[in-house]
Amino acid sequence: KQEVTQIPAALSVPEGENLVLNCSFTDSAIYNLQWFRQDPGKGLTSLLLIQSSQREQTSGRLNASLDKSSGRSTLYIAASQPGDSATYLCAVNAGKSTFGDGTTLTVKP
Amino acid sequence: DAGVIQSPRHEVTEMGQEVTLRCKPISGHNSLFWYRQTMMRGLELLIYFNNNVPIDDSGMPEDRFSAKMPNASFSTLKIQPSEPRDSAVYFCASSRQGASYGYTFGSGTRLTVV
Repeated sequence: KQEVTQIPAALSVPEGENLVLNCSFTDSAIYNLQWFRQDPGKGLTSLLLIQSSQREQTSGRLNASLDKSSGRSTLYIAASQPGDSATYLCAVNAGKSTFGDGTTLTVKP
Repeated sequence: DAGVIQSPRHEVTEMGQEVTLRCKPISGHNSLFWYRQTMMRGLELLIYFNNNVPIDDSGMPEDRFSAKMPNASFSTLKIQPSEPRDSAVYFCASSRQGASYGYTFGSGTRLTVV
């Protein structure tokens, strides 16, 4: 059974700081990995999708990496802003998806 | 593209009543997923469909829950009878070819059973 762990559970940083969110998974037989953002009381917004054959994906200030062999993915956020405050979830897809519990990020002005 | 559309956005009902949640996936997406999110258990996959056919319903908590997808553009999740412990946010998501291209989520239905 696939297990997905996200560390840390919560993170608070000052505005402008670069930060890394971590996602680890136990079964490397995956199709892809997807990072989402969830604002309080809202749905999930897809940020980045990395196929199993890829090493990283970039979108603006976001960069996601995937090391399938070690069962790890990171989401790097450059020059964080208060608007980045949200919960970030990773989903590991292998037919059906398994979600981590998320990292709640607070960026202080 | 209007995205995945869920209705209603909020539902408050009394214990024992039937509740029906609705979802319209993105046109062209052939996979549809129902998730439940609670503080205690996070996001749980309840059931998913490929080409309108239920593939895996192992996440459906009990017989009180049922889901249908009569056509490619509509799905329902029904709870009968509802119980307070069913209170949660229910999300519908769709994708092309399983999760090969990732998921798109709807805005969710917040269900409160009193």
